[in-house]
Amino acid sequence: KAGVTQTPRYLIKTRGQQVTLSCSPISGHRSVSWYQQTPGQGLQFLFEYFSETQRNKGNFPGRFSGRQFSNSRSEMNVSTLELGDSALYLCASSPVRSGGPSYSSGANVLTFGAGSRLTVL
Amino acid sequence: AQSVTQPDIHITVSEGASLELRCNYSYGATPYLFWYVQSPGQGLQLLLKYFSGDTLVQGIKGFEAEFKRSQSSFNLRKPSVHWSDAAEYFCAVGILTGGGNKLTFGTGTQLKVEL
Repeated sequence: KAGVTQTPRYLIKTRGQQVTLSCSPISGHRSVSWYQQTPGQGLQFLFEYFSETQRNKGNFPGRFSGRQFSNSRSEMNVSTLELGDSALYLCASSPVRSGGPSYSSGANVLTFGAGSRLTVL
Repeated sequence: AQSVTQPDIHITVSEGASLELRCNYSYGATPYLFWYVQSPGQGLQLLLKYFSGDTLVQGIKGFEAEFKRSQSSFNLRKPSVHWSDAAEYFCAVGILTGGGNKLTFGTGTQLKVEL
């Protein structure tokens, strides 16, 4: 079973540009989450999508946005890039079970991709 | 608000020695706890998780963790460390919210293994 695939793995942008990162979840996983990892702030939650709807959002400015497609693939976009946006962006997917939110039977347990390393110059 | 503290930023152990990585959490409700490992240039791999029941949980690669509610701790242990265990280890608390979930991570512990 293929894991979570993130593209591109590495990219370099300049301040003011925008960037789009892509994430393909594990087959059958319908929830996709995004996290930002920086040396200064550590791992921080960006947002979570399920069934093409954002159902959780972290404390990031509106320059950070995302979406999910009907096949569960997800993209995140960062507009007007700043130097501080340089980070490893991690995508994670998880299965969703019926019966309400829980971690039982592996529901909501995150499997992470290798990340997209963004450098802003 | 929930938080996770990993007091040790760096730890160095000799290969074959035992290991314990500390994790303390702050969360008002029943905690869902995780340990992830990250090798250089890689994403996060789940080592183990605790939801309820037996407070000693077994994970992959010979790791185990013990949940102690009275101490708000979820320390990770391994009886004998291998050189390949050198990596960064993250403790996290999971929050079920909005119909889904999100993780709050600690700042990580960098493990170095001396041969």
